[in-house]
Amino acid sequence: QSALTQPPSASGSPGQSVTISCTGTPSDVGASNYVSWYQQHPGKAPKLIISEVNKRPSGVPDRFSGSKSGNTASLTVSGLQAEDEADYHCASSAGSNNLLFGGGTTLTVL
Amino acid sequence: RLQESGPGLVRPSETLSLTCTVSGDSMKTYYWGWIRQPPGKGLEWLGYVYYYGSTHYNPSLKSRVTLSIDTSINQFSLKLKSVTAADTAMYYCARTGIWGGYFYWFDPWGPGTLVTVSS
Repeated sequence: QSALTQPPSASGSPGQSVTISCTGTPSDVGASNYVSWYQQHPGKAPKLIISEVNKRPSGVPDRFSGSKSGNTASLTVSGLQAEDEADYHCASSAGSNNLLFGGGTTLTVL
Repeated sequence: RLQESGPGLVRPSETLSLTCTVSGDSMKTYYWGWIRQPPGKGLEWLGYVYYYGSTHYNPSLKSRVTLSIDTSINQFSLKLKSVTAADTAMYYCARTGIWGGYFYWFDPWGPGTLVTVSS
């Protein structure tokens, strides 16, 4: 099974919006309402920021939002702040008791 | 609330063994998983174990991975046999949301432990 496809990098200026894509297949992202996103600062463990495509856990700023269309899920960070600079990873259910991660995207705040 | 522990160095061909200790949370109701991240690379799911012992593994690693759980001491464990340098990675444990057989999320994660495979 292949990893989900994410762009290696993304960037934006403070206050701008950036969208990171996560592309899979009809067998994983396309078939799943269970796409999650994780933020990982350097040297730290990943942190869940979006679950079930577009649900934000308690404490996650509403600047983070998720969506899905077909085989591609997306994470949008609005009103970019310096502390949003991190790696972002997507994950999706890939059928019963199986899951895939994306390769990760490094977000740079210019 | 989760903490990984185990050797930081494992010899090639040997078995990597790690334990995750869970505090401040009941192990019942949830699955408990392991994820790894080679230096500079993305995340890879290894497997997860339910509180009464049922397990599910990444198909690409299934032949080498064994998970177990001991709820009496709030711990679950990972064994990865026949390791090579390609198994060098940061290893994370995480509470795993699984419902109806489908993966929902990993949350929270332990801080991770770096395991290096080298002679």
